Amino acid sequence: GAGVSQTPSNKVTEKGKYVELRCDPISGHTALYWYRQSLGQGPEFLIYFQGTGAADDSGLPNDRFFAVRPEGSVSTLKIQRTERGDSAMYLCASSPSGAETQYFGPGTRLLVL
Amino acid sequence: SQKIEQNSEALNIQEGKTATLTCNYTNYSPAYLQWYRQDPGRGPVFLLLIRENEKEKRKERLKVTFDTTLKQSLFHITASQPADSATYLCALDMTNSGYALNFGKGTSLLVTP
Repeated sequence: GAGVSQTPSNKVTEKGKYVELRCDPISGHTALYWYRQSLGQGPEFLIYFQGTGAADDSGLPNDRFFAVRPEGSVSTLKIQRTERGDSAMYLCASSPSGAETQYFGPGTRLLVL
Repeated sequence: SQKIEQNSEALNIQEGKTATLTCNYTNYSPAYLQWYRQDPGRGPVFLLLIRENEKEKRKERLKVTFDTTLKQSLFHITASQPADSATYLCALDMTNSGYALNFGKGTSLLVTP
């Protein structure tokens, strides 16, 4: 079956612009996670959805970051007023309810100039 | 604060040998620990999960140990192959965050023919 997909695969934007990153989880997976990975580092947790609601958004670095999952499947990570320090790989993962194993997408590489 | 440490230096080994990667953690009492593989520019791929009450787990050429007293996990790849070359990430469950994961920085493994 289809895995987790993320679009776009690459995004180049200018400082101060707004960006949206999309994640399509595996069908039927109720849990969805966003992570951010900088070069040479492990993925860093941002936010976790169970169904439509954000169960934990404690990893979002500041209020410029926001994520939604209105119908419990596709999720969008939104970044306002982008800064150069936001440049990173943004990873999405999904899992069935109650499962510890996560299935990651290929990521979106964001570059803020 | 919770901290995960993995060998920061790359591990270079010859094909056919056993690769051993280390994951140490502090200020943690994880319910389980996972190992993921990550290839350049790709999302992590789940390999193995070991629970706190398990000492060892195997899957084909992979073996993971979990010592909750030492707060350490060892990840072994036996009869290593050049195709095993990748970065290997250790991940622990984040407390109070459902199943969100806290990742180490990863260890880069290079298997040469």
